[in-house]
Amino acid sequence: QKEVEQNSGPLSVPEGAIASLNCTYSDRGSQSFFWYRQYSGKSPELIMSIYSNGDKEDGRFTAQLNKASQYVSLLIRDSQPSDSATYLCAGGGDYKLSFGAGTTVTVRA
Amino acid sequence: DVKVTQSSRYLVKRTGEKVFLECVQDMDHENMFWYRQDPGLGLRLIYFSYDVKMKEKGDIPEGYSVSREKKERFSLILESASTNQTSMYLCASRGRLAGNNYEQYFGPGTRLTVT
Repeated sequence: QKEVEQNSGPLSVPEGAIASLNCTYSDRGSQSFFWYRQYSGKSPELIMSIYSNGDKEDGRFTAQLNKASQYVSLLIRDSQPSDSATYLCAGGGDYKLSFGAGTTVTVRA
Repeated sequence: DVKVTQSSRYLVKRTGEKVFLECVQDMDHENMFWYRQDPGLGLRLIYFSYDVKMKEKGDIPEGYSVSREKKERFSLILESASTNQTSMYLCASRGRLAGNNYEQYFGPGTRLTVT
Protein backbone atom coordinates (compact mmCIF):
# COMPACT_ATOMS: atom_id res chain seq x y z
CA GLN A 1 0.00 0.00 0.00
CA LYS A 2 1.32 3.40 -0.95
CA GLU A 3 1.66 5.86 1.91
CA VAL A 4 -0.33 8.53 0.09
CA GLU A 5 -3.09 7.59 -2.33
CA GLN A 6 -4.90 9.90 -4.68
CA ASN A 7 -7.90 8.01 -5.88
CA SER A 8 -9.78 10.57 -7.93
CA GLY A 9 -9.12 11.45 -11.53
CA PRO A 10 -8.54 12.32 -14.14
CA LEU A 11 -11.03 15.07 -13.52
CA SER A 12 -12.75 17.20 -16.13
CA VAL A 13 -14.84 20.15 -14.94
CA PRO A 14 -16.51 23.04 -16.76
CA GLU A 15 -15.19 26.52 -16.25
CA GLY A 16 -16.67 28.11 -13.15
CA ALA A 17 -17.43 24.78 -11.45
CA ILE A 18 -15.88 23.32 -8.29
CA ALA A 19 -13.11 20.75 -8.69
CA SER A 20 -12.81 18.34 -5.77
CA LEU A 21 -9.64 16.31 -5.22
CA ASN A 22 -9.15 13.68 -2.54
CA CYS A 23 -6.20 12.02 -0.91
CA THR A 24 -5.79 9.39 1.82
CA TYR A 25 -2.69 8.53 3.81
CA SER A 26 -1.63 5.52 5.83
CA ASP A 27 0.99 6.90 8.24
CA ARG A 28 -0.75 8.18 11.34
CA GLY A 29 2.49 9.88 12.32
CA SER A 30 2.20 12.31 9.42
CA GLN A 31 1.80 15.83 10.71
CA SER A 32 1.97 18.08 7.69
CA PHE A 33 0.11 17.96 4.39
CA PHE A 34 0.55 19.81 1.16
CA TRP A 35 -1.00 20.28 -2.24
CA TYR A 36 1.25 21.00 -5.20
CA ARG A 37 0.20 22.04 -8.68
CA GLN A 38 2.30 20.84 -11.59
CA TYR A 39 1.90 22.06 -15.13
CA SER A 40 3.09 19.79 -17.90
CA GLY A 41 6.88 19.90 -18.19
CA LYS A 42 7.26 22.08 -15.11
CA SER A 43 8.17 21.42 -11.49
CA PRO A 44 5.63 21.13 -8.65
CA GLU A 45 4.52 24.43 -7.15
CA LEU A 46 3.32 24.56 -3.53
CA ILE A 47 -0.22 25.94 -3.40
CA MET A 48 -1.56 24.85 0.01
CA SER A 49 -0.17 23.67 3.33
CA ILE A 50 -2.35 22.31 6.14
CA TYR A 51 -1.25 21.10 9.55
CA SER A 52 -4.35 20.79 11.73
CA ASN A 53 -7.82 19.35 11.38
CA GLY A 54 -10.37 21.48 9.62
CA ASP A 55 -10.47 23.76 6.63
CA LYS A 56 -7.94 26.24 5.32
CA GLU A 57 -8.89 28.70 2.63
CA ASP A 58 -6.61 30.64 0.31
CA GLY A 59 -8.34 32.50 -2.47
CA ARG A 60 -10.22 29.98 -4.62
CA PHE A 61 -8.53 27.04 -2.91
CA THR A 62 -9.73 25.26 0.23
CA ALA A 63 -7.80 22.42 1.82
CA GLN A 64 -9.46 20.11 4.33
CA LEU A 65 -7.72 17.77 6.73
CA ASN A 66 -9.30 15.01 8.80
CA LYS A 67 -6.64 13.17 10.79
CA ALA A 68 -9.08 10.71 12.34
CA SER A 69 -10.16 9.52 8.90
CA GLN A 70 -6.70 10.08 7.41
CA TYR A 71 -7.79 12.08 4.45
CA VAL A 72 -6.93 15.39 2.87
CA SER A 73 -8.89 17.15 0.19
CA LEU A 74 -8.58 20.19 -2.05
CA LEU A 75 -11.45 22.18 -3.46
CA ILE A 76 -10.91 24.57 -6.34
CA ARG A 77 -13.81 26.99 -6.63
CA ASP A 78 -14.70 28.91 -9.79
CA SER A 79 -12.33 26.72 -11.80
CA GLN A 80 -10.43 28.48 -14.57
CA PRO A 81 -8.67 27.06 -17.64
CA SER A 82 -5.39 28.06 -15.96
CA ASP A 83 -6.19 25.53 -13.20
CA SER A 84 -5.70 22.70 -15.72
CA ALA A 85 -2.73 20.83 -14.26
CA THR A 86 -1.77 17.79 -12.24
CA TYR A 87 -2.27 18.18 -8.49
CA LEU A 88 -0.02 16.27 -6.13
CA CYS A 89 -0.97 15.50 -2.54
CA ALA A 90 1.90 15.07 -0.08
CA GLY A 91 2.18 14.28 3.59
CA GLY A 92 4.89 13.51 6.06
CA GLY A 93 6.60 13.86 9.39
CA ASP A 94 9.95 15.24 10.33
CA TYR A 95 12.08 14.53 7.30
CA LYS A 96 10.49 12.93 4.30
CA LEU A 97 7.35 13.66 2.39
CA SER A 98 5.37 10.95 0.66
CA PHE A 99 3.69 12.00 -2.57
CA GLY A 100 0.59 10.72 -4.26
CA ALA A 101 0.63 9.85 -7.95
CA GLY A 102 -1.28 13.01 -8.81
CA THR A 103 -4.70 13.89 -10.16
CA THR A 104 -4.92 15.55 -13.57
CA VAL A 105 -7.55 18.26 -13.75
CA THR A 106 -8.84 19.66 -17.03
CA VAL A 107 -11.05 22.74 -16.95
CA ARG A 108 -13.26 22.96 -20.03
CA ALA A 109 -13.91 26.47 -21.33
CA ASP B 1 10.17 34.32 -1.73
CA VAL B 2 12.00 31.03 -1.48
CA LYS B 3 14.24 30.44 -4.42
CA VAL B 4 15.60 27.04 -5.40
CA THR B 5 17.72 27.01 -8.52
CA GLN B 6 19.17 24.14 -10.50
CA SER B 7 22.25 24.39 -12.65
CA SER B 8 20.66 23.27 -15.94
CA ARG B 9 17.14 22.98 -17.34
CA TYR B 10 18.16 20.49 -20.01
CA LEU B 11 21.17 18.21 -20.16
CA VAL B 12 22.26 15.56 -22.65
CA LYS B 13 24.99 13.14 -21.63
CA ARG B 14 26.49 9.96 -23.00
CA THR B 15 26.35 6.55 -21.35
CA GLY B 16 29.20 6.12 -18.88
CA GLU B 17 29.79 9.82 -18.28
CA LYS B 18 29.94 11.24 -14.77
CA VAL B 19 27.15 13.78 -14.37
CA PHE B 20 26.84 16.56 -11.80
CA LEU B 21 23.53 18.23 -11.04
CA GLU B 22 23.66 21.21 -8.73
CA CYS B 23 20.99 22.79 -6.60
CA VAL B 24 21.18 26.04 -4.65
CA GLN B 25 18.67 27.52 -2.22
CA ASP B 26 18.75 31.00 -0.80
CA MET B 27 16.62 30.63 2.36
CA ASP B 28 19.08 29.05 4.80
CA HIS B 29 17.03 25.83 4.81
CA GLU B 30 18.50 22.85 6.59
CA ASN B 31 16.83 20.09 4.61
CA MET B 32 17.37 19.47 0.92
CA PHE B 33 16.19 16.66 -1.35
CA TRP B 34 16.76 15.10 -4.75
CA TYR B 35 13.89 13.38 -6.56
CA ARG B 36 13.38 11.97 -9.98
CA GLN B 37 10.03 12.00 -11.73
CA ASP B 38 9.05 9.58 -14.45
CA PRO B 39 5.68 9.10 -16.19
CA GLY B 40 3.62 6.50 -14.37
CA LEU B 41 6.10 6.26 -11.49
CA GLY B 42 5.54 9.62 -9.86
CA LEU B 43 8.07 11.35 -7.64
CA ARG B 44 10.74 9.11 -6.17
CA LEU B 45 13.21 10.22 -3.51
CA ILE B 46 16.86 9.58 -4.36
CA TYR B 47 18.75 11.19 -1.47
CA PHE B 48 18.17 13.83 1.13
CA SER B 49 20.27 15.87 3.50
CA TYR B 50 19.15 17.32 6.82
CA ASP B 51 22.33 19.29 7.47
CA VAL B 52 25.70 20.18 6.00
CA LYS B 53 27.79 17.07 5.26
CA MET B 54 24.85 14.84 6.27
CA LYS B 55 23.09 12.62 3.78
CA GLU B 56 20.50 9.88 3.86
CA LYS B 57 19.45 7.41 1.20
CA GLY B 58 16.00 7.72 -0.18
CA ASP B 59 14.01 5.08 -1.99
CA ILE B 60 16.18 4.72 -5.10
CA PRO B 61 19.82 5.67 -4.29
CA GLU B 62 21.51 3.08 -6.52
CA GLY B 63 23.70 4.66 -9.17
CA TYR B 64 23.68 8.06 -7.46
CA SER B 65 25.68 9.89 -4.82
CA VAL B 66 25.32 13.32 -3.26
CA SER B 67 27.42 16.04 -1.74
CA ARG B 68 26.49 18.81 0.69
CA GLU B 69 29.57 20.82 1.59
CA LYS B 70 27.70 24.10 2.14
CA LYS B 71 24.25 24.65 3.57
CA GLU B 72 22.88 26.29 0.45
CA ARG B 73 24.16 23.75 -2.08
CA PHE B 74 23.21 20.12 -2.64
CA SER B 75 24.73 18.22 -5.55
CA LEU B 76 23.56 15.00 -7.16
CA ILE B 77 26.18 12.89 -8.90
CA LEU B 78 25.54 10.13 -11.41
CA GLU B 79 28.73 8.12 -11.17
CA SER B 80 28.35 6.44 -14.58
CA ALA B 81 25.27 7.59 -16.42
CA SER B 82 23.04 4.95 -17.94
CA THR B 83 20.05 5.26 -20.26
CA ASN B 84 17.66 4.25 -17.46
CA GLN B 85 18.67 7.43 -15.64
CA THR B 86 17.03 9.54 -18.31
CA SER B 87 14.49 11.47 -16.28
CA MET B 88 13.35 14.77 -14.81
CA TYR B 89 15.44 15.53 -11.72
CA LEU B 90 13.92 17.77 -9.10
CA CYS B 91 15.70 19.39 -6.19
CA ALA B 92 13.69 20.56 -3.18
CA SER B 93 14.43 22.59 -0.12
CA ARG B 94 12.53 22.54 3.16
CA GLY B 95 12.34 25.26 5.75
CA ARG B 96 10.73 25.49 9.15
CA LEU B 97 7.87 27.82 9.89
CA ALA B 98 6.53 28.63 13.35
CA GLY B 99 6.42 25.66 15.70
CA ASN B 100 7.05 22.33 14.03
CA ASN B 101 5.50 23.30 10.72
CA TYR B 102 7.52 23.43 7.54
CA GLU B 103 7.15 23.94 3.82
CA GLN B 104 8.99 22.30 0.96
CA TYR B 105 9.74 24.02 -2.33
CA PHE B 106 10.98 22.60 -5.59
CA GLY B 107 13.49 23.92 -8.06
CA PRO B 108 12.63 24.19 -11.77
CA GLY B 109 13.96 20.72 -12.56
CA THR B 110 16.64 19.34 -14.87
CA ARG B 111 15.54 17.16 -17.74
CA LEU B 112 18.43 14.76 -18.26
CA THR B 113 18.74 12.61 -21.35
CA VAL B 114 21.38 9.88 -21.42
CA THR B 115 22.15 8.55 -24.89
